[in-house]
Amino acid sequence: NAGVTQTPKFRVLKTGQSMTLLCAQDMNHEYMYWYRQDPGMGLRLIHYSVGEGTTAKGEVPDGYNVSRLKKQNFLLGLESAAPSQTSVYFCASILGGETDTQYFGPGTRLTVL
Amino acid sequence: GQNIDQPTEMTATEGAIVQINCTYQTSGFNGLFWYQQHAGEAPTFLSYNVLDGLEEKGRFSSFLSRSKGYSYLLLKELQMKDSASYLCAVLDSNYQLIWGAGTKLIIKP
Repeated sequence: NAGVTQTPKFRVLKTGQSMTLLCAQDMNHEYMYWYRQDPGMGLRLIHYSVGEGTTAKGEVPDGYNVSRLKKQNFLLGLESAAPSQTSVYFCASILGGETDTQYFGPGTRLTVL
Repeated sequence: GQNIDQPTEMTATEGAIVQINCTYQTSGFNGLFWYQQHAGEAPTFLSYNVLDGLEEKGRFSSFLSRSKGYSYLLLKELQMKDSASYLCAVLDSNYQLIWGAGTKLIIKP
């Protein structure tokens, strides 16, 4: 049982490049989330999913897209990276109830030059 | 708007007790979480409060007062490994977690 995994762990992009971050969980969790964490700020929700085939916007969705084609995977895409998207990205999942504990992946450190 | 306030940084001595406060103003309330985050790592769950009062879990306790929009995390018998950031998060009326910026706790020998 690996829990929540994220790939890659580190990435450097040039402005305008695209990339996809993969989050995978093997706990059969329904809800999955993508956050970004910047110094001096709380975690901010980018997009989330309450089940396979569904996605919804969070607090800071602009510049990102997501897909949840399989229950265990939640992909975060950056179509045209900008320096403002330099951040640490965390994926999290919960079993089902909104009050459940969120389990976090190890994070992806993204730098956009 | 929604707002969660925590002190930016606190310092305490090994073996002592420290209380980290969190005040919140959110659209609705469905519970408050505390998470611990070591530098360069993911947050890990510490506690969840939805009713007023104190929840004790080993060396860590969490208190909630919904009428005051206030919570605290109490850490006893501090150990060096408790040096970390402590994140307060509130579940709002849409069941979205609103996160505070975190309190960096520094433990000195």
